[in-house]
Amino acid sequence: ETGVTQSPTHLIKTRGQQVTLRCSSQSGHNTVSWYQQALGQGPQFIFQYYREEENGRGNFPPRFSGLQFPNYSSELNVNALELDDSALYLCASSPDRISSYNEQFFGPGTRLTVL
Amino acid sequence: GDSVTQMEGPVTLSEEAFLTINCTYTATGYPSLFWYVQYPGEGLQLLLKATKADDKGSNKGFEATYRKETTSFHLEKGSVQVSDSAVYFCALSDRQGAQKLVFGQGTRLTINP
Repeated sequence: ETGVTQSPTHLIKTRGQQVTLRCSSQSGHNTVSWYQQALGQGPQFIFQYYREEENGRGNFPPRFSGLQFPNYSSELNVNALELDDSALYLCASSPDRISSYNEQFFGPGTRLTVL
Repeated sequence: GDSVTQMEGPVTLSEEAFLTINCTYTATGYPSLFWYVQYPGEGLQLLLKATKADDKGSNKGFEATYRKETTSFHLEKGSVQVSDSAVYFCALSDRQGAQKLVFGQGTRLTINP
């Protein structure tokens, strides 16, 4: 069983640029969530996708957007990058939107640095 | 909104010491509670979970009990090892809507031999 994978591992961008991060969910999982983890902080929920539809969003501006594809893989897009967007971006998948204990399985993350 | 508060770190212990990392939460409903661990340069791994009051989650010698009356989910281990050095996150997930995870700020644990 393949776990959650993310690409790229590291990325360096400059302020104002746009970036796309990718995530492949664990086999059999149809729900993908994205989190931003600033240095020394806990992860913050960005949004969740269930069966290709956005299923909830955290307190992030519209320049953070996403997609989920028919194979349940997902992309996170960030436009007009700001220095504060520098963080570890974590993708997590779960087997169903509705589950008794809502366990989410995390990928290794993409480290984004904005200069 | 929902929130999680963890004891501030960093925490440094000697090998075989007893570990407690405190975690309290605020939630409007009846959340599920989790401890995640993050090793250097890696993503998060689920350590243990509890889905209802008085449940005890356990894994790899770690334990935590869901205490509704004190809204707490403290992590304990009787004898820590150097390999337990990592950052530990307490988290909750409500059962409504997106069922997102809400994390505490993390506690960095260092175990010295």
